[in-house]
Amino acid sequence: DQQVKQNSPSLSVQEGRISILNCDYTNSMFDYFLWYKKYPAEGPTFLISISSIKDKNEDGRFTVFLNKSAKHLSLHIVPSQPGDSAVYFCAASEGESRDDKIIFGKGTRLHILP
Amino acid sequence: GAGVSQSPSNKVTEKGKDVELRCDPISGHTALYWYRQSLGQGLEFLIYFQGNSAPDKSGLPSDRFSAERTGGSVSTLTIQRTQQEDSAVYLCASRTSGYEQYFGPGTRLTVT
Repeated sequence: DQQVKQNSPSLSVQEGRISILNCDYTNSMFDYFLWYKKYPAEGPTFLISISSIKDKNEDGRFTVFLNKSAKHLSLHIVPSQPGDSAVYFCAASEGESRDDKIIFGKGTRLHILP
Repeated sequence: GAGVSQSPSNKVTEKGKDVELRCDPISGHTALYWYRQSLGQGLEFLIYFQGNSAPDKSGLPSDRFSAERTGGSVSTLTIQRTQQEDSAVYLCASRTSGYEQYFGPGTRLTVT
């Protein structure tokens, strides 16, 4: 039973355009959400996060949107660059203590086309 | 400072053999996680250590899998009597007080 779902295994976007990666979750107790980026043969690296008290968090070219009523979040990358080609994992956690484990989705492979 | 390191980076073993995978977390990080990523799959949680608390072993797929963390630092994941379905990349991550986890480069395990 997947609590964090990334339904698109891959996505191709033209360089310079906007990339939108989607993530859905089922656990209404999740209150913190993260996006990680992973290059081949490397471990995932933290990209951006959002708390459930917000609906948007922006960091440079990366913006995460959270729709709690729909249990949906998305990562927007604009403009997309060749170095953005990677696998992106959505992750979620519950619990104010921050001691709870983080649940990851299966990832979406983003290809930025020249 | 140094990040999370894992060894070996690659391990090929015969079915039925035991393997040990090592993780050196970032110094001072109290929480340590093990995940595995099988081909085409996401990050599967295996086990979580937090300080001196009992580890959360809820993700371990079978009793062939075990892990320990000595002195609150280095961790070893042991897989006994390896099976071909154990082939995956095993990732270790550590964190301090925030949510963000810092991942190591992983150990690619191939069971032949």
